[in-house]
Amino acid sequence: AQSVTQPDIHITVSEGASLELRCNYSYGATPYLFWYVQSPGQGLQLLLKYFSGDTLVQGIKGFEAEFKRSQSSFNLRKPSVHWSDAAEYFCAVYPGGGADGLTFGKGTHLIIQP
Amino acid sequence: DAGVIQSPRHEVTEMGQEVTLRCKPISGHNSLFWYRQTMMRGLELLIYFNNNVPIDDSGMPEDRFSAKMPNASFSTLKIQPSEPRDSAVYFCASQPGQSNTGELFFGEGSRLTVL
Repeated sequence: AQSVTQPDIHITVSEGASLELRCNYSYGATPYLFWYVQSPGQGLQLLLKYFSGDTLVQGIKGFEAEFKRSQSSFNLRKPSVHWSDAAEYFCAVYPGGGADGLTFGKGTHLIIQP
Repeated sequence: DAGVIQSPRHEVTEMGQEVTLRCKPISGHNSLFWYRQTMMRGLELLIYFNNNVPIDDSGMPEDRFSAKMPNASFSTLKIQPSEPRDSAVYFCASQPGQSNTGELFFGEGSRLTVL
């Protein structure tokens, strides 16, 4: 079965600094990959997704992610964070072929320092 | 377009009471998923429906949990009787019928507290 690992439970970044959130997956082939963001008291909003093609994908709110097949990783990045980026971030995979929904990582809680 | 709509947003109840959570998927979406989110276990898939038919309910924790989808625009998740360990945020998500990419569209969740 596929799995998703987000090794950082919490990350603290100063406002204006760059950000990288890590995500590794375990699956035999290249799955479909997603990053979702959850603001406090809200549902999950799709930031970006990778299906195929260019391994660097752009998302909303200035985020991007890079798929690296050799490392089974799909790390999320942002060059300069804003206080409003404080939220929970979830990486998710879908292996395709009619599998049962998305498999999510445990999430990374992003704290922004002024 | 309206997104996935869940109700109630917050529910506080006492142990032993019946709880019913409701979900209206995005119009035209053929698949509907119920997830539970807790601090300890993260996001867990409870059950999902395709064209109103339950496909996989292996994630439903106990017989106290049941879910129905009587039509394409409505689903319920019921807990009877509720227990304190059921306290969590329950999310409903829908997926377009033609999607083979797994992308889900989430509601804002129902926060359940069982005292």
